[in-house]
Amino acid sequence: DAKTTQPPSMDCAEGRAANLPCNHSTISGNEYVYWYRQIHSQGPQYIIHGLKNNETNEMASLIITEDRKSSTLILPHATLRDTAVYYCIVSGGFGNEKLTFGTGTRLTIIP
Amino acid sequence: SQTIHQWPATLVQPVGSPLSLECTVEGTSNPNLYWYRQAAGRGLQLLFYSVGIGQISSEVPQNLSASRPQDRQFILSSKKLLLSDSGFYLCAWSLGGPVYEQYFGPGTRLTVT
Repeated sequence: DAKTTQPPSMDCAEGRAANLPCNHSTISGNEYVYWYRQIHSQGPQYIIHGLKNNETNEMASLIITEDRKSSTLILPHATLRDTAVYYCIVSGGFGNEKLTFGTGTRLTIIP
Repeated sequence: SQTIHQWPATLVQPVGSPLSLECTVEGTSNPNLYWYRQAAGRGLQLLFYSVGIGQISSEVPQNLSASRPQDRQFILSSKKLLLSDSGFYLCAWSLGGPVYEQYFGPGTRLTVT
């Protein structure tokens, strides 16, 4: 029972912004949106999370719609090293320690 | 800063042999600990998680088991490996909620022959 829907694959030109969409129409009020990425043969890497407001850190920005039913992860200036599978996950607060990884979006940065 | 270690990095074991994978975390206390498996070309499957010493939750019934003998040590075991146990095994840790950012180790690539 996947809580999120992501496109299976996307391409982005190097140096451009990569915008990765995620639909989570059944998200509940206490659930956070998390983004992770997995570069080939490595463990997943935490990128960012958010609840209601947009968030930005040194890696990316997270834009969450007002109704919280969808979000977009933005990598502002994509490099070849950003080629990876990106996972969007929703999970609740206290007592919900698990994160369920779906199939994600395979992002390929094109030189 | 926190560091997570896993060993071995790679392992080739025959069917029916035992398994022991170890994960340790440094630089934090009372972390939540997780074991995942990723079969070739597949997504991550949560196997076990632990919110404290001796507290293990199993997500998938199978021939694997987990133990947490110390606060920052998590062990994945099997008495008899199956071919289907081959995969990439990942350990992760997080702090207590409500946000559970998980940080992953380098993984162990297990091939059962």
